[in-house]
Amino acid sequence: GNSVTQMEGPVTLSEEAFLTINCTYTATGYPSLFWYVQYPGEGLQLLLKATKADDKGSNKGFEATYRKETTSFHLEKGSVQVSDSAVYFCAFHSGSARQLTFGSGTQLTVLP
Amino acid sequence: NAGVMQNPRHLVRRRGQEARLRCSPMKGHSHVYWYRQLPEEGLKFMVYLQKENIIDESGMPKERFSAEFPKEGPSILRIQQVVRGDSAAYFCASSPPGTGGDGELFFGEGSRLTVL
Repeated sequence: GNSVTQMEGPVTLSEEAFLTINCTYTATGYPSLFWYVQYPGEGLQLLLKATKADDKGSNKGFEATYRKETTSFHLEKGSVQVSDSAVYFCAFHSGSARQLTFGSGTQLTVLP
Repeated sequence: NAGVMQNPRHLVRRRGQEARLRCSPMKGHSHVYWYRQLPEEGLKFMVYLQKENIIDESGMPKERFSAEFPKEGPSILRIQQVVRGDSAAYFCASSPPGTGGDGELFFGEGSRLTVL
């Protein structure tokens, strides 16, 4: 069935380090792919998205490329900041259903 | 333009009581979704509603849980006879009409239910 496998956390990095959070999905067809971020005590906010193969979503220095051949959508940032500390969720929308399917989330802590 | 509004933000109930969670979608949005986030887990889809219609309730537990989105007023997620396992954060999301292909959802800040 449809699922998202996301790199388990927690991940702890020093400020200005490089970040990668892996995400792969299992879905029928060609879903739209999303990264959502959840800051402490808040709801989810859309971070970036890609709707077709080879698209690159980007926002706030974060990037992710839709790789159809590897069914992946890995999140990267070249230089993380303390303010990036949050939980990051990978998700997809298959189009045939209105619901999003989420990964289990990756807790990121950035230390000064 | 106000975002998705959920209340209460925090709710404490004793086992056997009822919990009612409310969600007002963003202005202009006609699709509402409820998700549940158990501790240390990701979000799990519960139900998708449009005004006066339940479109997909495949993620709803068969018993004690119900949802509605009336013509007037907020969407309500109702949990009857709560048990400790219902303790979770319940998130509401909305989307505008006609966005079937993209799938971006706009989330509220969640309602955190604690069952004693």
